[in-house]
Amino acid sequence: EAGVTQSPTHLIKTRGQQATLRCSPISGHTSVYWYQQALGLGLQFLLWYDEGEERNRGNFPPRFSGRQFPNYSSELNVNALELEDSALYLCASSLFGGPDTQYFGPGTRLTVL
Amino acid sequence: GQQLNQSPQSMFIQEGEDVSMNCTSSSIFNTWLWYKQDPGEGPVLLIALYKAGELTSNGRLTAQFGITRKDSFLNISASIPSDVGIYFCAGQRRLDANTGTASKLTFGTGTRLQVTL
Repeated sequence: EAGVTQSPTHLIKTRGQQATLRCSPISGHTSVYWYQQALGLGLQFLLWYDEGEERNRGNFPPRFSGRQFPNYSSELNVNALELEDSALYLCASSLFGGPDTQYFGPGTRLTVL
Repeated sequence: GQQLNQSPQSMFIQEGEDVSMNCTSSSIFNTWLWYKQDPGEGPVLLIALYKAGELTSNGRLTAQFGITRKDSFLNISASIPSDVGIYFCAGQRRLDANTGTASKLTFGTGTRLQVTL
């Protein structure tokens, strides 16, 4: 069974640009979560999507947004990039309903110059 | 954003030694999870705990869900070089009491483990 996949692996942008990151969940999982992990730090929750809807949002500005598609894959968009947005962005997926466990993808390393 | 208190922050141990780390929170969680992360990769789930007091093992790893539901512990026995990495605890609350659906994870600050020969 394929795990969570993310693309691209690495992304280099300049300040003010927009970045789009993609995530495909494990087959059968309907929930997708996005986390930001700045260098040397823990994971900070960004967004949670299920059945195409945003269910919860972390303490991040509105320029961090996303969506979930009918096939449950998801996109994270970061507008007006700032230097401090440089981080590893991790996507996780889980089943919705009942105690569930999140499985992570390998991440997208975003570097803002 | 909120993070759980995880200790120790880092450990240098010799191969064969046992390792203990813990995670504490000011609030209650319904689920505790332990992940290991290698450099440049996503966290990999090691152990999931769903009930207060639960003790679960996965090979040389043993984790416990604290009775108060505000803490959890991870032990690694007879460490080996491939145990090197960052270990994260994560807590999860149950949003819907009827369906038991859970929500986002709140992560600990991580314990960096280095094993010397």
